[in-house]
Amino acid sequence: QQQVKQSPQSLIVQKGGISIINCAYENTAFDYFPWYQQFPGKGPALLIAIRPDVSEKKEGRFTISFNKSAKQFSLHIMDSQPGDSATYFCAASTLTGGGNKLTFGTGTQLKVEL
Amino acid sequence: NAGVTQTPKFQVLKTGQSMTLQCAQDMNHEYMSWYRQDPGMGLRLIHYSVGAGITDQGEVPNGYNVSRSTTEDFPLRLLSAAPSQTSVYFCASRRDRAYEQYFGPGTRLTVT
Repeated sequence: QQQVKQSPQSLIVQKGGISIINCAYENTAFDYFPWYQQFPGKGPALLIAIRPDVSEKKEGRFTISFNKSAKQFSLHIMDSQPGDSATYFCAASTLTGGGNKLTFGTGTQLKVEL
Repeated sequence: NAGVTQTPKFQVLKTGQSMTLQCAQDMNHEYMSWYRQDPGMGLRLIHYSVGAGITDQGEVPNGYNVSRSTTEDFPLRLLSAAPSQTSVYFCASRRDRAYEQYFGPGTRLTVT
């Protein structure tokens, strides 16, 4: 059962453009929504994260938009650069019940072209 | 701080062989976990531990064993490797009751 659905699977954006990756979740107990960035041959690294008490969080060129009623969240990369080319994973988790087991989306391979 | 370290980086096994993937962290994190990453499937949780001596199963535990004798180390054992276990394996750690998880660089395993 895929609890976090991510789209698109791959994305090509021109340098300077906006990259948008979307995720939808099912479990309303989730209360932490991170995005991870992964370069080839490396482990995932936390990029930005949001809690459901806010609708948007911005860090530099990266913004998470969160829609609690629709159970959706998205990553926007403004002024996309070739160095942003990587695989991006959304995830969700909750600390309730002694958990915090991250549930990942299936990943989006982003390529930023010159 | 070295963070989360994993060895080996690459490994090739024959079907039926056993091996142990090593994971260590120097951040004194209570929580450690193992994930496998397969194309088109994201990362899936294999096993996790909330502290020394305490382990539990994740989403895809079959064919894998873990133990946690110290806070620092969390090895993953493959008892009898199968081609279906060909994957990239990541270890992660975090503080207890914290959200952020830190991942190691991964081990790429091929079972022929």
